[in-house]
Amino acid sequence: TQLLEQSPQFLSIQEGENLTVYCNSSSVFSSLQWYRQEPGEGPVLLVTVVTGGEVKKLKRLTFQFGDARKDSSLHITAAQPGDTGLYLCAGAPTGTASKLTFGTGTRLQVTL
Amino acid sequence: DAGITQSPRHKVTETGTPVTLRCHQTENHRYMYWYRQDPGHGLRLIHYSYGVKDTDKGEVSDGYSVSRSKTEDFLLTLESATSSQTSVYFCAISELGTSTEQYFGPGTRLTVT
Repeated sequence: TQLLEQSPQFLSIQEGENLTVYCNSSSVFSSLQWYRQEPGEGPVLLVTVVTGGEVKKLKRLTFQFGDARKDSSLHITAAQPGDTGLYLCAGAPTGTASKLTFGTGTRLQVTL
Repeated sequence: DAGITQSPRHKVTETGTPVTLRCHQTENHRYMYWYRQDPGHGLRLIHYSYGVKDTDKGEVSDGYSVSRSKTEDFLLTLESATSSQTSVYFCAISELGTSTEQYFGPGTRLTVT
């Protein structure tokens, strides 16, 4: 079983601060996705990265896929209360594109 | 938003009773998945389907069965519910070929007493 470890598990910050969430594995993935989940709802896809070293930006969120395609990071600039939620990374193992391996998640709380 | 609905959204049942959860999609996606989400474990795959009547097990399939008689519907059955199956269940869909992205339903909160 391929594991994805996310860190930190919990993060509580004030509005305007920057933060980085990490997603690490010893396995190689053909692609990696980030989702955000709010209480009582299903995860919502934020981004997919597929190329080693790839960087994608979504407004104040910057996603990076590691060169070896084993890890990824999510950086949020000037966090806002609307960024509060559970952030999940998910990797598609090479050769098994039909199934994703999910990380355990990072719960982010942004306060005023 | 992808057209995925789950029913029921909440259910309380007693140990030993059968339970069926339904996932319905309007996107005509080939792949459908059932996950459970528990604190400290993230999302774990129970079963998935890659076409009508084509299903396979995930990492936590014991105690669960699935059926898919139509493209749009994927049913998850707990033959005899146990307290360890208390969880939030999510259905997801995907159309492989262009990406591995999955789109999730709103979830079903199941409590087994």
